[in-house]
Amino acid sequence: ETGVTQSPTHLIKTRGQQVTLRCSSQSGHNTVSWYQQALGQGPQFIFQYYREEENGRGNFPPRFSGLQFPNYSSELNVNALELDDSALYLCASSLSSSSYEQYFGPGTRLTVT
Amino acid sequence: GNSVTQMEGPVTLSEEAFLTINCTYTATGYPSLFWYVQYPGEGLQLLLKATKADDKGSNKGFEATYRKETTSFHLEKGSVQVSDSAVYFCALSRTGNQFYFGTGTSLTVIP
Repeated sequence: ETGVTQSPTHLIKTRGQQVTLRCSSQSGHNTVSWYQQALGQGPQFIFQYYREEENGRGNFPPRFSGLQFPNYSSELNVNALELDDSALYLCASSLSSSSYEQYFGPGTRLTVT
Repeated sequence: GNSVTQMEGPVTLSEEAFLTINCTYTATGYPSLFWYVQYPGEGLQLLLKATKADDKGSNKGFEATYRKETTSFHLEKGSVQVSDSAVYFCALSRTGNQFYFGTGTSLTVIP
């Protein structure tokens, strides 16, 4: 059984640019959640996608957007990058939107210069 | 609102010492509570959970009891090993679609 995978592993972008991060959910999981983990902090919930629809959003501006595909993989898009967007971005998949069992990927380290 | 406060780190212990990492929470309603562990270079892994008051979650020798009266979910282990060195996160969720994490406690166990 393949776990949650994320790509790329590392990324360096310039302030003002746009970035797309990708996540493949664990087999059989229809729900994907995205988190931002700043250095030395706990993960902060960005949003969740369930069956291709957004199903909850944290306190992040609209320039953070997402997408979920029919195979339940997902993308996180961030527009107009700011220096404070530098963080580890984690994707987690779960069996359903009400499941408390989340399986995390290794994350994408984004650096904005 | 919902939030989790956990013990500041880092924590350094000798092998076989007793471990306690404190976690308290604020939540509306009755959340489920979790401990996640992040080993160096790896993603977060669910360590244990408790879904209602007085439940005890346990895994790999770690335990935590959901205390509604003190709004706490402290993590304990009777005898830590070097392999337990990691960052530990306390978290809560009310609905399963949004989790609130604490800031993490770094544990280093020395031989």
